Amino acid sequence: AQSVTQLDSQVPVFEEAPVELRCNYSSSVSVYLFWYVQYPNQGLQLLLKYLSGSTLVKGINGFEAEFNKSQTSFHLRKPSVHISDTAEYFCAVSVLGTSGSRLTFGEGTQLTVNP
Amino acid sequence: NAGVMQNPRHLVRRRGQEARLRCSPMKGHSHVYWYRQLPEEGLKFMVYLQKENIIDESGMPKERFSAEFPKEGPSILRIQQVVRGDSAAYFCASSPPGQGDYGYTFGSGTRLTVV
Repeated sequence: AQSVTQLDSQVPVFEEAPVELRCNYSSSVSVYLFWYVQYPNQGLQLLLKYLSGSTLVKGINGFEAEFNKSQTSFHLRKPSVHISDTAEYFCAVSVLGTSGSRLTFGEGTQLTVNP
Repeated sequence: NAGVMQNPRHLVRRRGQEARLRCSPMKGHSHVYWYRQLPEEGLKFMVYLQKENIIDESGMPKERFSAEFPKEGPSILRIQQVVRGDSAAYFCASSPPGQGDYGYTFGSGTRLTVV
């Protein structure tokens, strides 16, 4: 079975500062990796995903993530955050080739951007 | 092209009543997934359905919960005899056939409150 650990439950930062949200996963087989964002009282929006190829993945809203297979990590980064980036961020994995296509989510990281 | 539509957005039920949550997938998507988000937690997989077929219900509680995705109409998640612990946000997602591994599109969720 696979699992996802988001190492920080809350990350406060000031506007225009860089941010990194950490995600580690555990799986005995190859996985696909995802980051989703959830704004208050809304659904989840896909930020970016790693399926194969380049380990640096660029997503929407200026976010990027790097897949590190040896460290089983998929950390999310943004060089300069805005107030509007305040939201809950979820890292997730799916296992390749399974009929269930089930996503396993981390517990989430609340990013709060302060002026 | 409308996204995944869930209704109602908010649902209040008294203990012992039934809750019916509806989900209409995106056009062209024939696979539906239901997830539950308890307060302060990440999303947990409940069930994966195709039209007229339950593919994986390993995340569904054994009692009181059921799901269907009929040939015509939306997918329904049904909770009988609700209890306070059922209070949560319930999210539906959809994908095209065979594409679930690559991530899905989520709806805005139904927030169930049991009083």
